Amino acid sequence: GAVVSQHPSWVICKSGTSVKIECRSLDFQATTMFWYRQFPKQSLMLMATSNEGSKATYEQGVEKDKFLINHASLTLSTLTVTSAHPEDSSFYICSARYKGGGRGKPQHFGDGTRLSIL
Amino acid sequence: DAKTTQPPSMDCAEGRAANLPCNHSTISGNEYVYWYRQIHSQGPQYIIHGLKNNETNEMASLIITEDRKSSTLILPHATLRDTAVYYCIVRVANRDDKIIFGKGTRLHILP
Repeated sequence: GAVVSQHPSWVICKSGTSVKIECRSLDFQATTMFWYRQFPKQSLMLMATSNEGSKATYEQGVEKDKFLINHASLTLSTLTVTSAHPEDSSFYICSARYKGGGRGKPQHFGDGTRLSIL
Repeated sequence: DAKTTQPPSMDCAEGRAANLPCNHSTISGNEYVYWYRQIHSQGPQYIIHGLKNNETNEMASLIITEDRKSSTLILPHATLRDTAVYYCIVRVANRDDKIIFGKGTRLHILP
């Protein structure tokens, strides 16, 4: 079945550093990928829509200069948290949908990246 | 996307059928009903989806009412591994629309 892989699964780093998270669709092409963040005991919150070959679309309240998204190929999107601070600590999840998928094709999600900023 | 309403939590005994309801009274004719679940510290997992007919796969069954204003996800023989948050989502198919997650139903499978 469809697989979306995220890397790394867990990262701990010092305040002020930048962290890059990768999201790959392993066995299908995805023109669109989505990035979410999730705080403990809360639901997933959509951050941005990543479009292959074009600029990402950010949700209201999400700083595009803080969360840089690059979708350079049909199988890879990256999220870079720049100058990370403790309040950026969260669970980051990506999803992808088949390119040209058939009727009702669902999105598939990665297993998430737990980011802890000290 | 149409809004959905789900109970915040439910309990089910292990080995019994778990029936998770979802109300989507404002669903449009071209919107599908999707179910996902999220097990603790993992990404959401796709379960099943349907338009108006009942659907069944290896994981679950989806029962959609004739007026499409509500649906029920059925896990036929719940196990402890089915403990998770279950999300019911309605959206138009074949579009790269974003999925907006509600709060879902936290299902506890009791031994």
